[in-house]
Amino acid sequence: DAKTTQPTSMDCAEGRAANLPCNHSTISGNEYVYWYRQIHSQGPQYIIHGLKNNETNEMASLIITEDRKSSTLILPHATLRDTAVYYCIVIGGGGAQKLVFGQGTRLTINP
Amino acid sequence: NAGVMQNPRHLVRRRGQEARLRCSPMKGHSHVYWYRQLPEEGLKFMVYLQKENIIDESGMPKERFSAEFPKEGPSILRIQQVVRGDSAAYFCASSPQSLGSNYGYTFGSGTRLTVV
Repeated sequence: DAKTTQPTSMDCAEGRAANLPCNHSTISGNEYVYWYRQIHSQGPQYIIHGLKNNETNEMASLIITEDRKSSTLILPHATLRDTAVYYCIVIGGGGAQKLVFGQGTRLTINP
Repeated sequence: NAGVMQNPRHLVRRRGQEARLRCSPMKGHSHVYWYRQLPEEGLKFMVYLQKENIIDESGMPKERFSAEFPKEGPSILRIQQVVRGDSAAYFCASSPQSLGSNYGYTFGSGTRLTVV
């Protein structure tokens, strides 16, 4: 599975959009980009995933560049409860797979 | 539709005792994954199971740890002769199929194991 690179930490003001970047320059054609977050010591929470096209759900938007070598997770109106560690994970599309978590980005939402 | 259920939420064991952690996957999910998170550290993959089969145990310690996912009932992560270094949060995830699913991988709330 392709490796990902994320900033160690980010800050964002409450109410503003939080944009979390992820580089995955070695991604291959059948690999998906998944985003999870872990709030404090809770279990990881699924946010969104995509293959080629941009995706949006009730939690966030995922923008994948045309060459698929990077992506951005967007939380449109960040709240204090969005403070968490955010993980970008690239994983293949076929066969038995497991999620491998890197260091992630520690996002702090400031009042 | 209940999510992934893990129990107990908290478990205290004395050194040398056995710890049994249970994970009931979401309804219809046949794939289970176990992760360990040591204090102030990241999530580390331990083992991936399907019903009655261990698919990938590359993250399991060589000794004292075992996992199963029987045909009936929850998946069990078993730690024999626990030591203080086993104190951690253990998370379980399940999925309906390996990839491409619209559901992603769903995690439970974890079991916090404390060895005293």
